[in-house]
Amino acid sequence: QVQLVESGGGVVQPGWSLRLSCAASGFTFSTYGMHWVRQAPGKGLEWVAVIWNDGNNKYYTDSVKGRFTISRDNSKNTLYLQMNGLRAEDTAVYYCARDILIHDSSGVFDYWGQGTLVTVSS
Amino acid sequence: EIVMTQSPASLSVSPGERATLSCRASQSVRRNLAWYQQKPGQAPRLLIYGASTRATGIPARFSGTGSGTEFTLTISSLQSEDFAVYYCQHYDIWPCTFGQGTKVDIK
Repeated sequence: QVQLVESGGGVVQPGWSLRLSCAASGFTFSTYGMHWVRQAPGKGLEWVAVIWNDGNNKYYTDSVKGRFTISRDNSKNTLYLQMNGLRAEDTAVYYCARDILIHDSSGVFDYWGQGTLVTVSS
Repeated sequence: EIVMTQSPASLSVSPGERATLSCRASQSVRRNLAWYQQKPGQAPRLLIYGASTRATGIPARFSGTGSGTEFTLTISSLQSEDFAVYYCQHYDIWPCTFGQGTKVDIK
């Protein structure tokens, strides 16, 4: 069965960096686009970034452009989110999610991990 | 970016009753609209995409309608496991965006 397991969250100070990982299993990782979606405590969902299955296309929400980088290693079935210049408003549970389409990215998320909490606080 | 607005913010429904949730887009998203269910402490679950296509394993009591800017999620007969927060999300253009959610709780 499809499994997505995030790791790398923690408590950091403003301006620090953190790298999140998402280990995928149960499907052919290299054929699916992947996303990061976040949820601030007690708030709604916010899409963060997408990467196509081959890594050649990436998009970001405006608030993280220039600070966050999405990447993947298809040989390791792992998705990453490098987060630099963290701010208090980046505090959230970060979910990785699989796109429903093969060899494309629609923005529909059919499988989600359980999330990893990132807290940015001085 | 396209703003998604859900109404009502919360809805109290008795088990067995029908629940109707609304979602409005600030501009047309055609039929590129999905619905997700989220229970406390859990990740969201995809219910509906393409405005009306149920995701794998989703019961028939969940149905979606609409196109353009107006969408509806209907739960025909609420079961105990359906009490949750529901989010709509467009995926017509990047960035895809979510509504603020509708909480469905027990009356």
